[in-house]
Amino acid sequence: ETGVTQTPRHLVMGMTNKKSLKCEQHLGHNAMYWYKQSAKKPLELMFVYSLEERVENNSVPSRFSPECPNSSHLFLHLHTLQPEDSALYLCASSQDTTGGRVNEQFFGPGTRLTVL
Amino acid sequence: AQSVAQPEDQVNVAEGNPLTVKCTYSVSGNPYLFWYVQYPNRGLQFLLKYITGDNLVKGSYGFEAEFNKSQTSFHLKKPSALVSDSALYFCAVREVNYGGSQGNLIFGKGTKLSVKP
Repeated sequence: ETGVTQTPRHLVMGMTNKKSLKCEQHLGHNAMYWYKQSAKKPLELMFVYSLEERVENNSVPSRFSPECPNSSHLFLHLHTLQPEDSALYLCASSQDTTGGRVNEQFFGPGTRLTVL
Repeated sequence: AQSVAQPEDQVNVAEGNPLTVKCTYSVSGNPYLFWYVQYPNRGLQFLLKYITGDNLVKGSYGFEAEFNKSQTSFHLKKPSALVSDSALYFCAVREVNYGGSQGNLIFGKGTKLSVKP
């Protein structure tokens, strides 16, 4: 158990649906991340939150909307998705510190999303 | 811009033989290097990292990696492979700039390791 949980594990949705992915970390970390993993492509960083503030948005389409209500929870709200958005969505957390220390990220099991 | 290359899509090894999974990187500042493993239907699990110090880093499950600055490489190794090591392996780099600011983690595309009995 990595200490990062994601729900649901599998999600099938139509292009007109609205759904949300949930991530929770039990590690006391102060940074959380959303990644997209598609077949035969490198992991794509979508969003980064540090101390509950978004610090990175790598030109992700507006049909993906993140929310970080506190340091333990992260959501990804989905609406009017496209079939090419079908992928494994991974959440991760880490303890970001100043002073140069670099800590590894801990990943959840992912949500397998299929858009019909 | 920082980048990571994993030149092999797949590595096949017989159980008991040594294994190597290759990784090269490109950064303009100091590199922080990581290896992760992903088993089917699971998230990524941290194996090891290089920050500074000894070039040979030891990690989980008997894995180790060698940092080579002149060749900008960080190959993952294990002296004796197990069938249970079969999985997808990702190399990642995080750039640390001279002011101490840290970039994001950039992943390679992954290498599938297959260990046969």
